Amino acid sequence: DIQMTQSPSSLSASVGDSVTITCRASQTIRNYLNWYQQKAGKAPKLLISAASSLQSGVPSRFSGSGSGTDFTLTISSLQPEDFATYYCQQSFSYPPEFGGGTKVDI
Amino acid sequence: QVQLVQSGAEVKKPGASVKVSCKTSGYTFTDHGINWVRQAPGQGLEWMGWISTSNGHTDYAQRVQGRVTMTTDTSTNTAYMELRSLRSDDTAVYYCARVYYDYIWGSYRPRYSDSWGQGTLVTVSS
Repeated sequence: DIQMTQSPSSLSASVGDSVTITCRASQTIRNYLNWYQQKAGKAPKLLISAASSLQSGVPSRFSGSGSGTDFTLTISSLQPEDFATYYCQQSFSYPPEFGGGTKVDI
Repeated sequence: QVQLVQSGAEVKKPGASVKVSCKTSGYTFTDHGINWVRQAPGQGLEWMGWISTSNGHTDYAQRVQGRVTMTTDTSTNTAYMELRSLRSDDTAVYYCARVYYDYIWGSYRPRYSDSWGQGTLVTVSS
């Protein structure tokens, strides 16, 4: 199975900061990488698919990059509503594992 | 608009079975698969498996293989996930999600889920 490692596991930031979360796959997953945001008590929300494709309706301050094994999610100019946990997920091969999550505290 | 509405919370005893439903609307049911993902209290997301709504093809995570069955009813646009021989570590919120998939290298690959149900809490306790 492909293991997905996210870092950091948590971070604290201020409104207006730029935040970067990294996700590393244990082997190449090409660009088959998704990012989800989950707020407390809510279902996950898809932010980015295929490593860098922003979903409709997602603010442009969210961006994704990377290919192969190393990926990043960047939130430029953090907003109060961005307080959440972020998960990466590989969809290159079975099982489509999630990373352990990164909790962002504002 | 796309909606996935799940059945309500369940409390089960160890060894019992649970069947969670996921009623969809707002899109053509057979155009997308359904993923099932669970989240134990305070933990991360765990993919359990998925089903193709067009032909019933399923793939299950090894951890639940043999205990889980995913099905669909295309007459009601509803997906179901049944988990048997419940254990305490099956206590979790269970989510269904619409999944985009493709067929490549001779196999199906679920790619990403853009719409999710509200979640169903399943508690396993004696």
